[in-house]
Amino acid sequence: QVQLQESGPGLVKPSETLSLTCTVSGHSISGYSWSWVRQPPGKGLEWIGYIYYTGSTNYNPSLKSRVTMSLDTSKNQLSLKLTSVTAADTAVYYCARGHWDLNTWGQGTLVTVSS
Amino acid sequence: EIVLTQSPGTLSLSPGERATLSCRASQSVTDNSLAWYQQKPGQAPRLLISAASRRATGIPDRFSGSGSGTDFTLTISRLEPEDFVVYYCQQYSSSPRTFGQGTKVEIK
Repeated sequence: QVQLQESGPGLVKPSETLSLTCTVSGHSISGYSWSWVRQPPGKGLEWIGYIYYTGSTNYNPSLKSRVTMSLDTSKNQLSLKLTSVTAADTAVYYCARGHWDLNTWGQGTLVTVSS
Repeated sequence: EIVLTQSPGTLSLSPGERATLSCRASQSVTDNSLAWYQQKPGQAPRLLISAASRRATGIPDRFSGSGSGTDFTLTISRLEPEDFVVYYCQQYSSSPRTFGQGTKVEIK
């Protein structure tokens, strides 16, 4: 059974870079696509983008200039980097399997942007 | 970008009643590329329905999805106490993928 676990700093300063890792267990990341979704406190879901196992990516245009997704197949992990963060980037960040419907999700990790 | 509008924002019903949630798209969602998710407080969303009407693994049959084009519906035939949470629709017909703003089902 595939499981996903997000990890990374819970607090990031404004203008700095948010960096998160999603560790996948129970299944190889190869052969699948993987998405990142975020949810500001008390608000709805926002799709950030997805990455294929080949490494090709598709980002939300609203974040495209600041987002980078990558894979580390040796560690069975995917990563998310978001540059130049502001308070508006405060959210729970989720990784999920798929790029159509998202059938498996991590538990999410709260990232707060504050000085 | 396809904008998804869910209605109502909040649905007040009693256990055992039928819930009908709507998701309307600003343009046609091709190939019925629409999913529904359930989100309980403090938890990640859970996939309920994909391809507009296909129940995900392990989802009870009281949950059903229907619709095509721009109008989609999630129906919960008889509400159980654990169903009083928030539901989101999501389209994967085009990029960027988008979600509706959510419908909260609350106990009347």
